[in-house]
Amino acid sequence: AQSVSQHNHHVILSEAASLELGCNYSYGGTVNLFWYVQYPGQHLQLLLKYFSGDPLVKGIKGFEAEFIKSKFSFNLRKPSVQWSDTAEYFCAVNPLTYSGGGADGLTFGKGTHLIIQP
Amino acid sequence: DTAVSQTPKYLVTQMGNDKSIKCEQNLGHDTMYWYKQDSKKFLKIMFSYNNKELIINETVPNRFSPKSPDKAHLNLHINSLELGDSAVYFCASSQDLLETQYFGPGTRLLVL
Repeated sequence: AQSVSQHNHHVILSEAASLELGCNYSYGGTVNLFWYVQYPGQHLQLLLKYFSGDPLVKGIKGFEAEFIKSKFSFNLRKPSVQWSDTAEYFCAVNPLTYSGGGADGLTFGKGTHLIIQP
Repeated sequence: DTAVSQTPKYLVTQMGNDKSIKCEQNLGHDTMYWYKQDSKKFLKIMFSYNNKELIINETVPNRFSPKSPDKAHLNLHINSLELGDSAVYFCASSQDLLETQYFGPGTRLLVL
């Protein structure tokens, strides 16, 4: 079964700092990759996704992520964070196979709690 | 115009009770899911339901049973609630098993 690792469980940054959140997955085949954000007390919202094509994908609110197949990584970046980016960030993987894949649902990492200090 | 909705938003109940959480999506999606988020914010799939086929995560106790009256609804029924069932339960939907999933607002369940 696939797994997803998010390296940092808690990250604290000052406003205007640059952000990079690491995500690695273990699965030998092709995957769809996602980053979701959960603001305090709210539901998960999609930040961005990668299915195919340009490995550098841009999402909402100035976020981007780069898929590096050789490293099984899909790191999330933002050049300048804001206080409103304080939230829980989840990386998720959905393998592209119908032999039990997809039907397993998304496999999530354990999340990174990001706190932005004003 | 809520895409994925859940009721109730909060549910406080006693151990041993039976409760249901409802989920509805108006996106016309074919696939729906239930996820459990524990106190450490870890999200784990419980069920996926696609074209009347139910896929169950083997770690889910059989006290949990999803019921889908139609394509737009996937309700979660829980029998004999236990303290460890306390969590936030999220419903989600997608066009098919591989497409982007859209999440509901969650139901915060507290078992006393």
